[in-house]
Amino acid sequence: EAEVAQSPRYKITEKSQAVAFWCDPISGHATLYWYRQILGQGPELLVQFQDESVVDDSQLPKDRFSAERLKGVDSTLKIQPAELGDSAMYLCASRGNSYEQYFGPGTRLTVT
Amino acid sequence: DAKTTQPNSMESNEEEPVHLPCNHSTISGTDYIHWYRQLPSQGPEYVIHGLTSNVNNRMASLAIAEDRKSSTLILHRATLRDAAVYYCILRDFEGYQKVTFGTGTKLQVIP
Repeated sequence: EAEVAQSPRYKITEKSQAVAFWCDPISGHATLYWYRQILGQGPELLVQFQDESVVDDSQLPKDRFSAERLKGVDSTLKIQPAELGDSAMYLCASRGNSYEQYFGPGTRLTVT
Repeated sequence: DAKTTQPNSMESNEEEPVHLPCNHSTISGTDYIHWYRQLPSQGPEYVIHGLTSNVNNRMASLAIAEDRKSSTLILHRATLRDAAVYYCILRDFEGYQKVTFGTGTKLQVIP
């Protein structure tokens, strides 16, 4: 069964450093999402892509976060500079023509 | 965005049915009701969804109130593998179908 791939699974970085996460959605899925999940809370949508275009980035802290999906396939989420409050799980999900979002295993970020 | 309200936590005995409630009093006519669950250390996974009628699949059943202001996810026989956080979510059918997760209900299954 096809899955959403994410890497790395775990990342420890010092504050003020740059960090990047990668997501490979299920093949053929046009919609891709990045979520941030703080411990004990539900996932919060950061950015949504339709193919290579951003359709919702209203909750993305644009002063330090950026996201791209250049060829409409895989995607990268970057944080620069990282802050202590960015420690969280970063989840990627994709959706095809159906209603169901498929989530990857996430990247656990710890900022020290 | 329309919001949902769920209890923070619930307990169930193994092999007993579980009814997980969700209130969504401000639901609009174009909102679908979705349920996802998140097992420990994993990303969320889809469980079931519906619009007006009750729905059944291999994982669960979804009972939707006639006025659509509440719904209930039913697990017919809870197993230890069902211990997870269950999220009730409204999906806007229009536009880019954004979903907003709340804090969910943490289900504990007691052997």
